[in-house]
Amino acid sequence: GQQLNQSPQSMFIQEGEDVSMNCTSSSIFNTWLWYKQDPGEGPVLLIALYKAGELTSNGRLTAQFGITRKDSFLNISASIPSDVGIYFCAGYSPGSARQLTFGSGTQLTVLP
Amino acid sequence: EAGVAQSPRYKIIEKRQSVAFWCNPISGHATLYWYQQILGQGPKLLIQFQNNGVVDDSQLPKDRFSAERLKGVDSTLKIQPAKLEDSAVYLCASSWGGGSYNEQFFGPGTRLTVL
Repeated sequence: GQQLNQSPQSMFIQEGEDVSMNCTSSSIFNTWLWYKQDPGEGPVLLIALYKAGELTSNGRLTAQFGITRKDSFLNISASIPSDVGIYFCAGYSPGSARQLTFGSGTQLTVLP
Repeated sequence: EAGVAQSPRYKIIEKRQSVAFWCNPISGHATLYWYQQILGQGPKLLIQFQNNGVVDDSQLPKDRFSAERLKGVDSTLKIQPAKLEDSAVYLCASSWGGGSYNEQFFGPGTRLTVL
C-alpha cells in the first residue's frame, strides 16, 4: 500500500517559536490533509489541499501541496501551549481514491 | 451538533477472547469508517461503509475481524479471537459521502489492550 514518511518524529520548541514539519511519498497524491490529534481523542482536520502548488492558511497554520504532488508541508507560527499534540499528514492517491493513508505523525511539545 | 460516539472507551481482554466495539456516526452521514491506530502510528483504514454496504474492506483481517452496519446508521466491529497484536485504539469516523471532498469526523476511539 501507499506509505507517507513524516518528519520529524518529534519536536520540542519554545512557546512563540515557529514550527515546520513535512510529509513525503514515493508516489503522487491527489489530496493532502493535515490533522491534529490530542490525547484520548480522534484526529481533527486542520487543513485540506487539493491542487499541486496550493498554499492554504488556517489562522497560525499554513500548509502547502508540493509541486511534485509527492510532498506537503505544515508550518505553525508563534506556537502556543495548546498546539501540543500529534500532527498527522494524510492523503488520497490516484489508485486509492476512497482510502485515506496516514503518516506516522509528528509529536509536538511546546515548552513555556 | 453531536459528534461521533463510540463505546466502550477502554477494554482489556485476554488473548483468544472476543470483543465488540460500537459506533454511532453523526446524524445524516452516509459513510462510516473503522480505523486501527497502533501506538506510535497513524490510523489505518480497516473497513468503509456507504449506508449499509461495504465499500472497502481490503485491509480488514477477515479471519478474525468482522463489522456490520445493518440499518445504515450504527455500526459494530468485532474481533474473534483477539491476538496480542490487536492492542490498539479503534477509531470510528463518519462523513456525508466518500472521497476526498468529504471531511471525515472522528470519534474518541476505543483503546483495546489484549493481555
